[in-house]
Amino acid sequence: GENVEQHPSTLSVQEGDSAVIKCTYSDSASNYFPWYKQELGKRPQLIIDIRSNVGEKKDQRIAVTLNKTAKHFSLHITETQPEDSAVYFCAASTLGAQKLVFGQGTRLTINP
Amino acid sequence: SAVISQKPSRDICQRGTSLTIQCQVDSQVTMMFWYRQQPGQSLTLIATANQGSEATYESGFVIDKFPISRPNLTFSTLTVSNMSPEDSSIYLCSVEVHGLAGGGDTQYFGPGTRLTVL
Repeated sequence: GENVEQHPSTLSVQEGDSAVIKCTYSDSASNYFPWYKQELGKRPQLIIDIRSNVGEKKDQRIAVTLNKTAKHFSLHITETQPEDSAVYFCAASTLGAQKLVFGQGTRLTINP
Repeated sequence: SAVISQKPSRDICQRGTSLTIQCQVDSQVTMMFWYRQQPGQSLTLIATANQGSEATYESGFVIDKFPISRPNLTFSTLTVSNMSPEDSSIYLCSVEVHGLAGGGDTQYFGPGTRLTVL
């Protein structure tokens, strides 16, 4: 079955700098790649997603890139702010938005 | 998106007992999912609950331990049976929401139920 590896497990950046989180997946049939942000004690919130027919997607300060050949995708956050501090999870699925397989998570800390 | 609620939000239970968690969504959805998130860990899919059919369980999860009901298109329950301390986790339901105007489907999560088993 699908396996998703996420790196790094922790990331600390200065406010205003950029943060990049990377994920690799094993199943070349995967076609949907969402990113979730989870603040302490809260539910995971979808922040951006990308489908296999697109190489890049951007929403304000957040962007996701997908390399199907290498089977990896990345989350890019620019101009980081303290409220970006959270745990971020990537996921992949071969069935669209069903049966998501999650990465291990990245704890992002933004230092003021 | 969808508005999803869960009951209870948290509970402390004794080993050997069972707890039923409810998930309610404000619109009709075909697919609902149940996940487990152990302390400090990632999310693991337990099962998919499709209205009108038996739930489909992922490897490592069985119906006797985690029976699921899906009586209609807005509601589902997950029961954690014969609990042990290892079942202490956050249990989350989620729903697949179909995109509008050609947008793709997405998955949204409920607030979770924090279960502690003593």
